[in-house]
Amino acid sequence: SQQGEEDPQALSIQEGENATMNCSYKTSINNLQWYRQNSGRGLVHLILIRSNEREKHSGRLRVTLDTSKKSSSLLITASRAADTASYFCATDAAYLSGSARQLTFGSGTQLTVLP
Amino acid sequence: DTGVSQDPRHKITKRGQNVTFRCDPISEHNRLYWYRQTLGQGPEFLTYFQNEAQLEKSRLLSDRFSAERPKGSFSTLEIQRTEQGDSAMYLCASRLRGPNTEAFFGQGTRLTVV
Repeated sequence: SQQGEEDPQALSIQEGENATMNCSYKTSINNLQWYRQNSGRGLVHLILIRSNEREKHSGRLRVTLDTSKKSSSLLITASRAADTASYFCATDAAYLSGSARQLTFGSGTQLTVLP
Repeated sequence: DTGVSQDPRHKITKRGQNVTFRCDPISEHNRLYWYRQTLGQGPEFLTYFQNEAQLEKSRLLSDRFSAERPKGSFSTLEIQRTEQGDSAMYLCASRLRGPNTEAFFGQGTRLTVV
């Protein structure tokens, strides 16, 4: 089963615009991670935000986390055609034992950036 | 290349045949995951190893699927008596120990059952 759910399922924007994707999840987490996947390829890690963090930046990426609402958002600023890909959020559940095991992925947002 | 490697990249097999995939994780990573991904969906968890111990297995995984990680190094995923519904991309990922580490994925093995 997939815990995270991304919204929207698909997003099409013009180059230079900002893209925002949202992720909702269900259980307590140690952290939430965002990954990118180009068509037919493996996933590439973008950014990790810990449960005690509210916002994190990496280059043109900005991630927010609201643990009270069990939601996160990924903002890509000044988008480029090369940003066209699927974006997935993944949650590291907080097990009682304290050890993170399964990394659970959502269904993804397909981003298309038009030149 | 010191990333996660998977072999083969593509596999076409006839229904009923057995297939085996291999994953070589990043050498210092003690955690290894197998996922399955179908078109338009996110990766679906199959199984998890910590060193050589298989600690978690999805309830969705039928008994036709088996995975091993001898000596805590490479891992194999075997599917016996393949069915058309097994057609998917099979992804392997590895991580360092610790609660806040990123996963590194291989390029995947695309299985087509005809």
